[in-house]
Amino acid sequence: RKEVEQDPGPFNVPEGATVAFNCTYSNSASQSFFWYRQDCRKEPKLLMSVYSSGNEDGRFTAQLNRASQYISLLIRDSKLSDSATYLCVAPLRGGGNKLTFGTGTQLKVEL
Amino acid sequence: DAGVIQSPRHEVTEMGQEVTLRCKPISGHNSLFWYRQTMMRGLELLIYFNNNVPIDDSGMPEDRFSAKMPNASFSTLKIQPSEPRDSAVYFCASSFHSLAGPTTYEQYFGPGTRLTVT
Repeated sequence: RKEVEQDPGPFNVPEGATVAFNCTYSNSASQSFFWYRQDCRKEPKLLMSVYSSGNEDGRFTAQLNRASQYISLLIRDSKLSDSATYLCVAPLRGGGNKLTFGTGTQLKVEL
Repeated sequence: DAGVIQSPRHEVTEMGQEVTLRCKPISGHNSLFWYRQTMMRGLELLIYFNNNVPIDDSGMPEDRFSAKMPNASFSTLKIQPSEPRDSAVYFCASSFHSLAGPTTYEQYFGPGTRLTVT
């Protein structure tokens, strides 16, 4: 089983819609999680860190459900500029400060 | 503040040639990571350093790959000899890791080197 699993999408949504991505993780001992955003032919960029039950930053909300071992990313009032691939990230089991990256969920926001 | 710096941004070389990729981490960060990204395999960790010391190189594909970190502000990833299957985007990332207190895992990526081996 992969340490982090995501629905690859693509999610095609109209501008202004609310969209949510889920990510499941296998290491129950993980304490911190991250969402990264990666644009085409660019590097991954940190979007949000999740250390407790969740985090909110403007239109973006990340929630953590430890009992079910999943984290979610909610994007409200989506913009064309939100189109990107969103990577779910968790510490690697027994891996010190190594991270394991999901394969990413592709989002396309359309007019 | 400057982020992670990588050079070159693009490299096209012929099979059999030596390739050297360079990275300068964010000042003050003590962990450095080399990743490779392809469409087929996604983002793979090749090797990482803590305080300039290689900690885990289990992701290095084979002996053709080597990495060094001679000081806190510079690292290289070398491929010798290069092969077409090495074509990928190579990212360097850095973070701050503390054993004495709360560990911050966030990693910050450089712009990557797009390597094409013909």
